[in-house]
Parts: sequence; C-alpha cells; structure tokens
Amino acid sequence: DVKVTQSSRYLVKRTGEKVFLECVQDMDHENMFWYRQDPGLGLRLIYFSYDVKMKEKGDIPEGYSVSREKKERFSLILESASTNQTSMYLCASSPTGGDEKLFFGSGTQLSVL
Amino acid sequence: AQSVTQPDIHITVSEGASLELRCNYSYGATPYLFWYVQSPGQGLQLLLKYFSGDTLVQGIKGFEAEFKRSQSSFNLRKPSVHWSDAAEYFCAVGVYNTDKLIFGTGTRLQVFP
Repeated sequence: DVKVTQSSRYLVKRTGEKVFLECVQDMDHENMFWYRQDPGLGLRLIYFSYDVKMKEKGDIPEGYSVSREKKERFSLILESASTNQTSMYLCASSPTGGDEKLFFGSGTQLSVL
Repeated sequence: AQSVTQPDIHITVSEGASLELRCNYSYGATPYLFWYVQSPGQGLQLLLKYFSGDTLVQGIKGFEAEFKRSQSSFNLRKPSVHWSDAAEYFCAVGVYNTDKLIFGTGTRLQVFP
C-alpha cells in the first residue's frame, strides 16, 4: 500500500524554536508538497518540490523553508516558530503529470506556545 | 487566477437522506477537478476526479460528481448518506501546467441517526 508518512502526529514547541517537520513517501514520486490547514481557510500551499534539491514557493511561504536532499524525503522548517504558525500541516506527494492525485500523510498538529 | 469556492461551511443531514455538496471553480480552460474527504484525525483521501470525457464521474464510497461547464460547478452527490460519511469534504482544481492543486475551504458534513 502506498504511503506518505509524517514523523510526528502532534508537536508542541515554544516561540522562537527551530522546528523540523519530516515527510517520507515510498512511491518514488517526483512531486512533494507541504500544505497548512486552518479552520475556515482550507488547505493552503506553503512549498512544493518537483525534484531533488528543487523547490518552489506556494501561496504562503513566509516564515517557512524546505529541504529535499533525497527523493523520498521532504522537510518543512520553521526557522523561528511563532504562535501564528500553530496549525495542522499536511504533506502530500504525486507523480509528475498533473493528472494524478495527491497522496496525503495523516498530518502533524503543531502547537506553538 | 484560479480559485475554488465551497459556499457551504457546514451541512447537517439525516442518515439515509440524499446529499449534495456544492463546488464552484474559476478557471479559463477545461479544469482538472477533484473531491477529497478528510475523516477526523486523518489525511485527505481522494473520492473522485474529473479530467475530461463523461461529465458524470463515479467515485468511491458511492459518491458521484457532475461537471457543469456552463455553471462552473462540480457538485458532489450521494443518494443515501451513512453515519460514516460524517467528515470534511474538499473540492480542488489543478493549476494549469503544474502538478499543484488549489483547494476550497471545505464543507463539514454532520450526519444524524
């Protein structure tokens, strides 16, 4: 069964901490995505990557960075966490082509205190 | 710019009743359209997708959706809902010439016995 695995289900961090959210997929997909989900706002794209070491900003990249050193792993980094980054973070992957679905992980609920 | 609108934030139905969730999109060409479902504490699962051809699309769990170009709509339907259908539903459109998706804000479905 195909899988997108997010390393933490729940995470609690303090303001100013550097936070790493990890995502691994086992489907050999080229594309990987980080979305943020907030009530009433739906899913908003933070960053995506279409190949190793390649990345593009999504709609809300401010305060975030990403790293993709290996094809299967896509990391989201909060350089200095702030309370307004408390949210559900969803990782997804897809093959190149545009007509294939996104496969989602179960999400990481991040609370910044 | 492309966008997706889900006008209903919250819908409540009785078990066994029919269901229609609304989705309107803004897109210049023929869109790629998707419906996803998110059960509590889970990631998103694809229900169905439309790329071209037959405008009535069948999905998993007894769901279907109809693409209506004249109304820029892609409404999700189910003839008889089950208590297990209680979840949040997201409509999404593919961004032209990329592998990205734009999501609507979601509709939360509550099912009463």
